[in-house]
Amino acid sequence: EIVLTQSPGTLSLSPGERATLSCRASQSVSSSYLAWYQHKPGQAPRLLIYGASSRATGIPDRFSGSGSGTDFTLTISRLEPEDFAVYYCQQYNYSPRTFGGGTRVEIK
Amino acid sequence: EVQVLESGGGLVQPGGSLRLSCAASGFTFSNYAMTWVRQAPGKGPEWVSSISGNGVSTYYADSVKGRFTISRDNSKNTLYLQMSSLRGEDTAVYFCAKEPVAVPGIFDRWGQGTLVTVSS
Repeated sequence: EIVLTQSPGTLSLSPGERATLSCRASQSVSSSYLAWYQHKPGQAPRLLIYGASSRATGIPDRFSGSGSGTDFTLTISRLEPEDFAVYYCQQYNYSPRTFGGGTRVEIK
Repeated sequence: EVQVLESGGGLVQPGGSLRLSCAASGFTFSNYAMTWVRQAPGKGPEWVSSISGNGVSTYYADSVKGRFTISRDNSKNTLYLQMSSLRGEDTAVYFCAKEPVAVPGIFDRWGQGTLVTVSS
């Protein structure tokens, strides 16, 4: 089973700042089968990025994904108030599909 | 608007059973594979089970194999998860999620989840 390790566990930032979230896989994820989700308490998780760098429908361009192999990054260029949430990465290269433990982006 | 809405969660004793439902709307349900994902308190999400659009193919995590059964009724646009022999470690919020045809493996629409608590 592929283990995804996200860091940091918590990111304390102010609106307008840049957020950089990391996701490291225990084995290489080929063809960049890596997705990112945003989750706010009491709401449905939302797909942000798939294929490591493709934005899902309706996702603002301040969200970007990059990386390959075992190291992937989600960047939020300028945090908006609605971006404070928990973010999860997920690999879909291997079965079973697995998720990371999450990074919480909180208001500083 | 594409929507999925889970129901059926609650408190159940260890060894008990529970059936979760997921009502789908806003898309042609039978065209899409569907999945259950759960999230235990303080943990990341965990894939539980998936089913093909026509219901023929089903897949399970090792942790639930033999205890959980996924099914769907395409005439009712509803997904189910029958859970039996429940354990404390099954305590989690259970989410229903839709898989896009264009990018198999990801989840492009989720519900808000339903809480299952296994405790005596």
